[in-house]
Amino acid sequence: AQKITQTQPGMFVQEKEAVTLDCTYDTSDPSYGLFWYKQPSSGEMIFLIYQGSYDQQNATEGRYSLNFQKARKSANLVISASQLGDSAMYFCAMREVDFGNEKLTFGTGTRLTIIP
Amino acid sequence: DGGITQSPKYLFRKEGQNVTLSCEQNLNHDAMYWYRQDPGQGLRLIYYSQIVNDFQKGDIAEGYSVSREKKESFPLTVTSAQKNPTAFYLCASRRGYTTDTQYFGPGTRLTVL
Repeated sequence: AQKITQTQPGMFVQEKEAVTLDCTYDTSDPSYGLFWYKQPSSGEMIFLIYQGSYDQQNATEGRYSLNFQKARKSANLVISASQLGDSAMYFCAMREVDFGNEKLTFGTGTRLTIIP
Repeated sequence: DGGITQSPKYLFRKEGQNVTLSCEQNLNHDAMYWYRQDPGQGLRLIYYSQIVNDFQKGDIAEGYSVSREKKESFPLTVTSAQKNPTAFYLCASRRGYTTDTQYFGPGTRLTVL
């Protein structure tokens, strides 16, 4: 069963508008973490934001915020005031700890294109 | 500057040859990881190592091998047993605590001709 689901293969957004990228996850472990990474065309994965399963408040990092709805098992990324440089692939990932070994499972990503 | 380096950026090999991808970090991180990415796909875990001289198989370890003789180095060998080795390979590291973030290198694009 897929553990991380990103249902939007691609999105087009007008510059300066806000954008929400969807991510749902599946786990039975009460302790987990959720990450968002950005992958520009150069290929490297850039860490954006992290939310722990026990965190009471939604994480924020500058223009990025994570809309964490634990009961619905969703962890959507919100980018406010989008910029041309935001055009990239975005991946949601979940951390699980298995017998002391920490692993990340990634979704298939969303390609975001910002239109001038 | 501290960071993760992968070399080379592009690598071409003939079918049937083994090839070793380099990953070095000077962040003093304990854990290191290798991922494979195919076009239009997310990342899939190949191998990971939490400490020196110890490593575990990930989800797609068949046809790959690793070593972890030094804390800062985690090379990946793509063997001739790997059926479809052409892909983008990413290395990552993490300080060591379970709440820490994984940080990635720039990647190596391997093409097998």
